[in-house]
Formats: sequence, structure tokens, C-alpha cells
Amino acid sequence: EAGVTQFPSHSVIEKGQTVTLRCDPISGHDNLYWYRRVMGKEIKFLLHFVKESKQDESGMPNNRFLAERTGGTYSTLKVQPAELEDSGVYFCASSQVAGGPLTQYFGPGTRLTVL
Amino acid sequence: GIQVEQSPPDLILQEGANSTLRCNFSDSVNNLQWFHQNPWGQLINLFYIPSGTKQNGRLSATTVATERYSLLYISSSQTTDSGVYFCAVERWDNYGQNFVFGPGTRLSVLP
Repeated sequence: EAGVTQFPSHSVIEKGQTVTLRCDPISGHDNLYWYRRVMGKEIKFLLHFVKESKQDESGMPNNRFLAERTGGTYSTLKVQPAELEDSGVYFCASSQVAGGPLTQYFGPGTRLTVL
Repeated sequence: GIQVEQSPPDLILQEGANSTLRCNFSDSVNNLQWFHQNPWGQLINLFYIPSGTKQNGRLSATTVATERYSLLYISSSQTTDSGVYFCAVERWDNYGQNFVFGPGTRLSVLP
């Protein structure tokens, strides 16, 4: 069975440009999470989807970040316009159900560099 | 919110040595995971361990939930063990569940 996949693996953009990150969760996983690790700091939660609905987006840093999960399958995270401090690694994770003992499966991450 | 601490922040070992990484958390949690972020930035699930002890090869982990800590043991370390090890605790609230990560322990294994 395929795990969580993310695309691209690396992205280098200039300040002010737009970047869209994609996450494909494990098939059948209703829960999808985005996390990010800004260089040298801990990994922080960004938001949580249950199917196509945003259950919790309390971790989104500001309105330059927009996440979508149309149809409850893959998700995109758009950063527009990108700033230098957005550089880091963005991880996506998926899980089968919420509210019960489970394991989140993480993707390999997308490394974003904003110049 | 829940606070997660990890110690030590940095650890340098010679290949073949053993080590213990610690994770303390400030409140009761539903679950706990250990991750290894390798030098390529990938987060690898190591253990899903809300309580008790688990072993996988040279790695083992113990969580004592009542005392709010977890330990990750690495025996006979190898250079490929290098990277950052994260402890993450799972919290459930009205919105669902997500993880709160510790700051990580950076492990360097020297040949």
C-alpha cells in the first residue's frame, strides 16, 4: 500500500512568488494534517482536515497560507505571497479516524526555500 | 497547552555506543510517538507508544504515562542513526486530534 506522498520534494522560490504544495494521503484516510518545521525550530501543527472540512486551522500562521482539500482526497497548501520566514520543511500526515487510538502516517515532507 | 520537553538537545556518539533520549510532557496525553527526522528531512515513525515498552531491532522505547515521560533507547549506534529525534504527544479536543512536538534531540554518530 502506498504511503503518504508529497510533491514537490524541494521548492526554491523568490520572495513574493506563489508556491503550492500537494499532499496525497493514504487511501481511505479521512484525516489529513499539515505541519511545518521552520529551520532550527520544532515542528508545529498547521491545520487538520476531516474529509474536505477544516476541523482545526488554529496553527495557520497568517492569511498568506491557504489549504484546501477538495473532494476529501488530496490536499494543497498554497503560500501567496511567500516570505523569507516561510522557508522550512512542510509535512503532511494522514490517519484513518479521529478520536481513537491511532497512528499518524507522515509523508517525506516538502523542503521550501524562499530567497 | 501541553508542553513537551526533550533532553539532551544535542548528543554526539561514537559508532557502537548506546544512548537514551528522554521526553517529558506536562499533562496527560492520549498517545505518544517517537519520530526520526533523517538528514534528508524525512520524518520516520519509530514507535507509537502511549504506554509500556516496545522494541524494534536496536531501538526500544518505554513510556510511563502516569509519570509523564518516555525514553528512547538506541543501542550499538550507527552513523545512519544520525538526525533529529522528535517526541510527539497527541492531544484530543473539540476539533479532533493533533500532535504537539517536542523541540527534538539532534544525534550525531561519528564513525
